Amino acid sequence: EPEVTQTPSHQVTQMGQEVILRCVPISNHLYFYWYRQILGQKVEFLVSFYNNEISEKSEIFDDQFSVERPDGSNFTLKIRSTKLEDSAMYFCASSEVNTRGADTQYFGPGTRLTVL
Amino acid sequence: AQTVTQSQPEMSVQEAETVTLSCTYDTSESDYYLFWYKQPPSRQMILVIRQEAYKQQNATENRFSVNFQKAAKSFSLKISDSQLGDAAMYFCAYRMPGTASKLTFGTGTRLQVTL
Repeated sequence: EPEVTQTPSHQVTQMGQEVILRCVPISNHLYFYWYRQILGQKVEFLVSFYNNEISEKSEIFDDQFSVERPDGSNFTLKIRSTKLEDSAMYFCASSEVNTRGADTQYFGPGTRLTVL
Repeated sequence: AQTVTQSQPEMSVQEAETVTLSCTYDTSESDYYLFWYKQPPSRQMILVIRQEAYKQQNATENRFSVNFQKAAKSFSLKISDSQLGDAAMYFCAYRMPGTASKLTFGTGTRLQVTL
């Protein structure tokens, strides 16, 4: 069964460093998303991406964040200068299209980001 | 803005018994999707079940079923014949139809399954 994959599973970085989180969405999916979950809290939407551009972004997704689809398979989230409060689980998700728009979102296993 | 409320931070059920997890939501829309996702200790988000608001019939997936009350804006998850592997955090989520629309999650209910 196709699945969303994410690398790395755990990333430790120093405050102020740049990190890139990688995702490989399900191959026939056209919509891509990033969510984050701070430990013990609910899952929060960051950004959605379609047709090589951002469709929607949340207040969390400020200038320190960017997304890119550098090739036909990868979808990346970059944090330019990490802060302590960026420590969280980051989930990538993807969905295909149905007649009513974007369909169910399937999540990857997540990348745990720890900022020291 | 849409909100999703899960009022039960923790629930417990004995193996083989039935448990119901509650979820309410607030929206002014008439067309939307509702979901239950399961998050085991591995922290992966796994889709359990989905419901489209325009469908009156409650969704079922094997031992999992929902009670969707549109007028009351209620979307509860019933797990029958509970198994140890059902122990996890369960999140209710809402989404509007349309291109790339985001999921809005509740705060989750931690389900314990006891022998």
